[in-house]
Amino acid sequence: GQQLNQSPQSMFIQEGEDVSMNCTSSSIFNTWLWYKQDPGEGPVLLIALYKAGELTSNGRLTAQFGITRKDSFLNISASIPSDVGIYFCAGNTGTASKLTFGTGTRLQVTL
Amino acid sequence: AAGVIQSPRHLIKEKRETATLKCYPIPRHDTVYWYQQGPGQDPQFLISFYEKMQSDKGSIPDRFSAQQFSDYHSELNMSSLELGDSALYFCASSLLRGGISYNEQFFGPGTRLTVL
Repeated sequence: GQQLNQSPQSMFIQEGEDVSMNCTSSSIFNTWLWYKQDPGEGPVLLIALYKAGELTSNGRLTAQFGITRKDSFLNISASIPSDVGIYFCAGNTGTASKLTFGTGTRLQVTL
Repeated sequence: AAGVIQSPRHLIKEKRETATLKCYPIPRHDTVYWYQQGPGQDPQFLISFYEKMQSDKGSIPDRFSAQQFSDYHSELNMSSLELGDSALYFCASSLLRGGISYNEQFFGPGTRLTVL
């Protein structure tokens, strides 16, 4: 089945630093989505990407849909303590079809 | 803005019992998805419904069944519960007829199921 490899697995950064994480797939996806999940809560949609090469921003977050359609990255600029959580990439291949999730990146921010 | 509602938020059951999880999608959303997330794992797709018809199926055990009702809410029925069924169960919804955003899935807060 499809696999999404997400890296890094975890990261410790200082407040104010920029963060980068990425996802790679063995298969092509039509849509890439980035979610943030706090412990015991549901994933919250951050950014959705629909076209190869698309670069989209949402506040301090920027994400790109890779040209090959097999990868995506997420950047967070000037991190703040509330950025702490687990970030998941997710992709799907059809219309209203299931999401395949990445393995997650656990972000911890120190003051 | 209204979000996805799930009930109950927490559920404790014994082995071999049954459980019913409920999901109320965002108003006007027509597609519902169910995911299971084990400790330290990423969410795994179980099943989805569009306009009350099953639209996709993942690794859902035969002991589980689900349906979507005329008011678009959905229920996940789980029978003969096993210890391994302990997990967070999420419902997500999307609007298929929503143009470019049709693949944006919005998740509920989840139901934490504990099987003893």
